[in-house]
Amino acid sequence: AQSVTQLGSHVSVSEGALVLLRCNYSSSVPPYLFWYVQYPNQGLQLLLKYTSAATLVKGINGFEAEFKKSETSFHLTKPSAHMSDAAEYFCAVSYTGGFKTIFGAGTRLFVKA
Amino acid sequence: DAGVTQSPTHLIKTRGQHVTLRCSPISGHKSVSWYQQVLGQGPQFIFQYYEKEERGRGNFPDRFSARQFPNYSSELNVNALLLGDSALYLCASSLEAGPTNEKLFFGSGTQLSVL
Repeated sequence: AQSVTQLGSHVSVSEGALVLLRCNYSSSVPPYLFWYVQYPNQGLQLLLKYTSAATLVKGINGFEAEFKKSETSFHLTKPSAHMSDAAEYFCAVSYTGGFKTIFGAGTRLFVKA
Repeated sequence: DAGVTQSPTHLIKTRGQHVTLRCSPISGHKSVSWYQQVLGQGPQFIFQYYEKEERGRGNFPDRFSARQFPNYSSELNVNALLLGDSALYLCASSLEAGPTNEKLFFGSGTQLSVL
């Protein structure tokens, strides 16, 4: 069965510091992987997605993620955090022939001034 | 262009009542999915509809039902409400069924509180 595990329900960084949000997946078939961001009182917005074209994926707002098959990971990074990055981040997986996207429990990112 | 719109934005019901939530997808999108997001958790898949047909169903009781109309809008119905049904209900649309590598476009959700 497919599943997603996000390590750390809360991550706190200082403004300008590296952001690293961890995601590991479990899938018996090649996965499609996504990172979504949710701001308070809003729906989810796609940051980036991996669809096997390239292992390093660049998304919006300076975020990127690297697919590592050997580690079954898809960690999200940003070199320099900004106050506006404070939000909830969800890693998600889907797969060919499936009809649903499976979300992790989310990681809330706090950015300190 | 308008994004995914959901109504109402907030709803308060009592146990045992019935509720109907509505969703209008982005123009041109034929697929609508419903997700339940309990506070502190990630969204959980409820249904996917494509071309008015149910394409997939998550692990939810039969009290949950949905339908899609010819204009691709959708309704989610929940009968015999329980306290545990309190959650943010998200609607997402996409161009085609799948989702495979399809990007989901989410509405802002309906916050349902069951007292």
